[in-house]
Order: sequence, then structure tokens, then C-alpha cells
Amino acid sequence: GENVEQHPSTLSVQEGDSAVIKCTYSDSASNYFPWYKQELGKRPQLIIDIRSNVGEKKDQRIAVTLNKTAKHFSLHITETQPEDSAVYFCAASWGGGSNYKLTFGKGTLLTVNP
Amino acid sequence: SAVISQKPSRDICQRGTSLTIQCQVDSQVTMMFWYRQQPGQSLTLIATANQGSEATYESGFVIDKFPISRPNLTFSTLTVSNMSPEDSSIYLCSVDVSSPWGLDTDTQYFGPGTRLTVL
Repeated sequence: GENVEQHPSTLSVQEGDSAVIKCTYSDSASNYFPWYKQELGKRPQLIIDIRSNVGEKKDQRIAVTLNKTAKHFSLHITETQPEDSAVYFCAASWGGGSNYKLTFGKGTLLTVNP
Repeated sequence: SAVISQKPSRDICQRGTSLTIQCQVDSQVTMMFWYRQQPGQSLTLIATANQGSEATYESGFVIDKFPISRPNLTFSTLTVSNMSPEDSSIYLCSVDVSSPWGLDTDTQYFGPGTRLTVL
């Protein structure tokens, strides 16, 4: 099965700085890579995703890059704000059709200091 | 996206009892999933529940302990049976926004979760 490693486990930045979270996956057949943000006591919220036919995707201050050869993908947050503070999870989709499933990384606690 | 609700939002139960968690979606979806998230941990898939077929369980999870129903395209239940304190966790359902007509996006949206405490 798929294995997803996520680093770092905690990340502290100053407001306005950039934050980068990295994930690696093991199954070269994985083709979908979402990122979720989970605030304390809330549900995971999808913030951005990328598919294996794309190398980079951007949505305002958030971007995701994918390197299929190295089997890693990264989340980039620019101009961080205190409300970006949360736990971020990466995931990789393994399988296809009705057999697909998401495997999650262990999460990164991001703290943005005002 | 989809509007997803879960009941109950939280519960405190005695060991040896069972709790059924409901997940309701405001649109028809083919695939629904049940996850467990232990305090401070990541999300672990318990099973995939597709309408019209038996649920598919992940390694370490069995039907006798976590029976699942999927009676239609908008609803599912997860039962946590014969509970012990180790079952204390948040249980989340998620749905794939793919339509019943096979437009599979692989994109999952989560319900608000059920916080279970077993004494």
C-alpha cells in the first residue's frame, strides 16, 4: 500500500514569511495529491490539490508543486497570516475508480506568530 | 462541494456498549468513507462504503467491531461495537463528490466529526 511521509511535524514562522511543507509518497501509481487544513476542533478542509499530469498549481497565497520522478510534493504558503495557523495534512490517492483511497501524512502544526 | 452532517457531534459512553454514528449528505454521492482520528494524530481510513455493496475494511478494522450501513446515496452509518476506552477518538465521514453517473473526481470532503469518549 501507499506510504506518505510529511515534514516537518511542527513549523513556526513570523507573520508575512513563507512556509513550506514537504511530503513524499511511495507508490508511483498515485495520481492525486490533496492538502487539507484542520483548525483545532474543526473538520479537515480541502485547500488545494494537484493531479499527476500537472507540475504546479497556485491559488492566491497557496501553491503546490509535484515532482513525480522524485515522488514528492510540497505546499507553499506565502505572506503567512495568523489565521493560517492550523494542522496541515498532505495525502496521496492510491488506486482508481471505486477502489481508490487516500493515505494521509502525519500532519504539520503550523504556527504563525504575529 | 457538499454539505455533510454527522450525528451525534459528541458522546460519552460506557465500555461494552455500542454507538451508531450517522452521516448525511445533501446530494447523491457514490463513495463514502469512514475515518478515525485519535487525539493529535492523523486520519486513518476505517472503511469505504459504496451504495449497493458491502463495505471494504482496511487492515486492522473488522466488520464485527465497525459495522457499516449504506442504504442509499445520501446516508451512511458507522457503529462502534463493544466499546473500550481505546475506541475514544474522533470519527469522521467523508464523501467523494463524484456523481452517480461516474464523474469521479477523487476529491473528498469531510463531515464535522463525532467525538467519542469511552469510560
